[in-house]
Order: sequence, then C-alpha cells, then structure tokens
Amino acid sequence: GQSLEQPSEVTAVEGAIVQINCTYQTSGFYGLSWYQQHDGGAPTFLSYNALDGLEETGRFSSFLSRSDSYGYLLLQELQMKDSASYFCAVRDEAGAGNNRKLIWGLGTSLAVNP
Amino acid sequence: EAGVAQSPRYKIIEKRQSVAFWCNPISGHATLYWYQQILGQGPKLLIQFQNNGVVDDSQLPKDRFSAERLKGVDSTLKIQPAKLEDSAVYLCASSSVAGELFFGEGSRLTVL
Repeated sequence: GQSLEQPSEVTAVEGAIVQINCTYQTSGFYGLSWYQQHDGGAPTFLSYNALDGLEETGRFSSFLSRSDSYGYLLLQELQMKDSASYFCAVRDEAGAGNNRKLIWGLGTSLAVNP
Repeated sequence: EAGVAQSPRYKIIEKRQSVAFWCNPISGHATLYWYQQILGQGPKLLIQFQNNGVVDDSQLPKDRFSAERLKGVDSTLKIQPAKLEDSAVYLCASSSVAGELFFGEGSRLTVL
C-alpha cells in the first residue's frame, strides 16, 4: 500500500530548532512537499524537493533522501506563530505530470512554547 | 493575484438535507481538487479535475456526493443526503503545471 509516516506531535520552545521527519512508501515518487496549516486555516505550501539534498527558504529547510524514502522539515529559530500542523505529501507515479496523485501524511502538530 | 475563493465559509444542516459548496480557482489553474478534512486529520482527496475532466474520484462517495466543473473553471461539490459523518471542512485547491497546491479557506460543514 501507499503510506506516509510522520510524528503526530512535536513540542519545542521559542528559539529552538525542530525537525519533523517523513518516511514514505509509495508506488512511485515525483517529489516531496511540505504544507503548513494553522488551526482553522487552510494548508499553505512551504517547500518541495524532487532531488536529494537540502532546500533552504529562510528559517525553514527541507531535506530529501530518495534512497532512504525519507525527508524532513527543519524549522529554526522557532516562533510562537510556527505552532501549526505540518503535512508531508508525495506525488506518486499514478497519472502524468500535474495529474499524479498526491499522497498526504496525517500531519504533525507542532506546539511552540515560550 | 486573487486566491482560491470558496463559499459558503460555514454551513449547518440537519442530516438527510442537501448542501452545495462552490469554488473558484486561481485564474489559469487547470487542476482543481476537492478535499475533505475531518478535525485532527489530514486532507482526504475527494475528486481531482483537469480542466473539466475528472482525473481521480476514487474516494468520492458517489451515492451521496457529486461534483462538477463546467467550462473548466468554477466547481461545485454537492452532498445529498448529508450524514452526521460528513461534518468536516471541505477544501478546494488549484494548481498550475508546477504542481504546488493553493488552497481556499474552506467550507466548514456541521451536520446535526
């Protein structure tokens, strides 16, 4: 079957660094994405990795290792506003181009405490 | 650039009633998605359109849910009759060729 695994909850303090892991098992792989969702809000796109390595965007970075079917989202200099749910999502081989099916993880709830 | 528009934001109905949600995607986005998100869970894809054609509706409960995207722009998702377990947020998203999804604010449905 196809599945993505990520921790259900993570707690950290302001200013700290936190890493949210995502391991996937899909029939194919065409990129790992991360989305952030605040309570009551809609998911918003954070990052996308199609190739191995680290992608950095400000305080957030995302890493991918295709050989390990593994990726992570790294959040640095945590702020209270980073408290949210974070979802990893993988496009698998079913379909073509933008029609490839997007498989979602169950989400990681991040709580940033003062 | 205007975002994905959805309406209504909130809807309360009784079980066995019907409800319809509307979505206007970002201009030029060919792919449109309807997701159901139950509190505390990740988004579950109900249906995916490419222009006005259905790409994936494998998880759409077709006995009660229907969706259309006439003219390949706006889309409507209908539930008839609603059940208690349909209480959720219904998210519409659109994407361009690049693949990043842009979500609307969602329509929160409560079925009593």
